[in-house]
Amino acid sequence: KNQVEQSPQSLIILEGKNCTLQCNYTVSPFSNLRWYKQDTGRGPVSLTIMTFSENTKSNGRYTATLDADTKQSSLHITASQLSDSASYICVVSDRGSTLGRLYFGRGTQLTVWP
Amino acid sequence: EADIYQTPRYLVIGTGKKITLECSQTMGHDKMYWYQQDPGMELHLIHYSYGVNSTEKGDLSSESTVSRIRTEHFPLTLESARPSHTSQYLCASSEGMDTIYFGEGSWLTVV
Repeated sequence: KNQVEQSPQSLIILEGKNCTLQCNYTVSPFSNLRWYKQDTGRGPVSLTIMTFSENTKSNGRYTATLDADTKQSSLHITASQLSDSASYICVVSDRGSTLGRLYFGRGTQLTVWP
Repeated sequence: EADIYQTPRYLVIGTGKKITLECSQTMGHDKMYWYQQDPGMELHLIHYSYGVNSTEKGDLSSESTVSRIRTEHFPLTLESARPSHTSQYLCASSEGMDTIYFGEGSWLTVV
């Protein structure tokens, strides 16, 4: 069964600190992996997208890594800011259909305290 | 910045009422989607479209219906709302396998 599991479920850190969020997946055949940021009450916004051949991608203070062999990804946030408080969602796409079906994790709820 | 818009953002309606959630995108994307998301839970695909006059049901069974008469417009309709339909509905669009752009969401409460 294709699944996406994220950990931790929630995380609280102090402003300025770094943190790493984890995503494990069983989706096969793999197409790409995306990280989204979703502020409370808003729609998800794309942070990164990685294909099978990419093992790291950065977007400002966000750096995503991908290990397609172990089917794991991480999102590292550097020098956290209050505005980083949000849910971070890992989304994996398969290539077994024209639609490129998406499998969503439940997200990691990050809270940054001053 | 994504050019995809949803209205209304928030809606409270009575049981049995008919409701249409509007979604429009100005990016010319062929693919459009409707997702349902309950608080703290993952998004579930309820409808998608490859283009004009193309609509398909998603993974999650839904009593809603959709139409795609124009490329930019993908409305979702509930003929008779029930409390179980209370949720957040997210519209999205994409071009091919590229980034999927989401709207801000429509929060529906059925009382």
